[in-house]
Amino acid sequence: SQTIHQWPATLVQPVGSPLSLECTVEGTSNPNLYWYRQAAGRGLQLLFYSVGIGQISSEVPQNLSASRPQDRQFILSSKKLLLSDSGFYLCAWSKPLRNRDEQFFGPGTRLTVL
Amino acid sequence: QQPVQSPQAVILREGEDAVINCSSSKALYSVHWYRQKHGEAPVFLMILLKGGEQKGHDKISASFNEKKQQSSLYLTASQLSYSGTYFCGTERNNAGNMLTFGGGTRLMVKP
Repeated sequence: SQTIHQWPATLVQPVGSPLSLECTVEGTSNPNLYWYRQAAGRGLQLLFYSVGIGQISSEVPQNLSASRPQDRQFILSSKKLLLSDSGFYLCAWSKPLRNRDEQFFGPGTRLTVL
Repeated sequence: QQPVQSPQAVILREGEDAVINCSSSKALYSVHWYRQKHGEAPVFLMILLKGGEQKGHDKISASFNEKKQQSSLYLTASQLSYSGTYFCGTERNNAGNMLTFGGGTRLMVKP
């Protein structure tokens, strides 16, 4: 069976500090991978989408970036965090080569920028 | 463009029914429905692809209207476990898996 992991689970960072959030998927190959952000009490905002290693689409221009160094690893980064970067960051995956399919979400990372 | 969900919040007694709507100003390629419990990850409920389509399992069902601009989620004889926030995710411009989610509908079921 497939599982998705995210770490850390919670993070408190000062404004201006760097960020690295990691997501890994087990039990499948070449998954589609996603990063979402959810502000408190709000909906999900798609940040990045990847169909393969090194292939990343950015939905929203901002101070965040994503990388996919390995098939089942997806990393969200920032060089300098802003207060507005606080939120619940969710990684998700869906089956490869499938369009309009169920997305499976990880447990999330709760980021607080002070 | 973000789809509009209504109502924003609803409180039910166990056994009551609820309808959650998701609307767009333009025709959509698909609509996905998810439920999120507080502090947890969203969980997939169902996806609708065709105008006029209706789907359901257990006592939760959904429809996609003929013009593909509105979807409704129907919760019948609600249970305490139905509590959570419901999100619709819409696909626009044939974008496949790249979804835009609505603001959510917070549902609370009381005994």
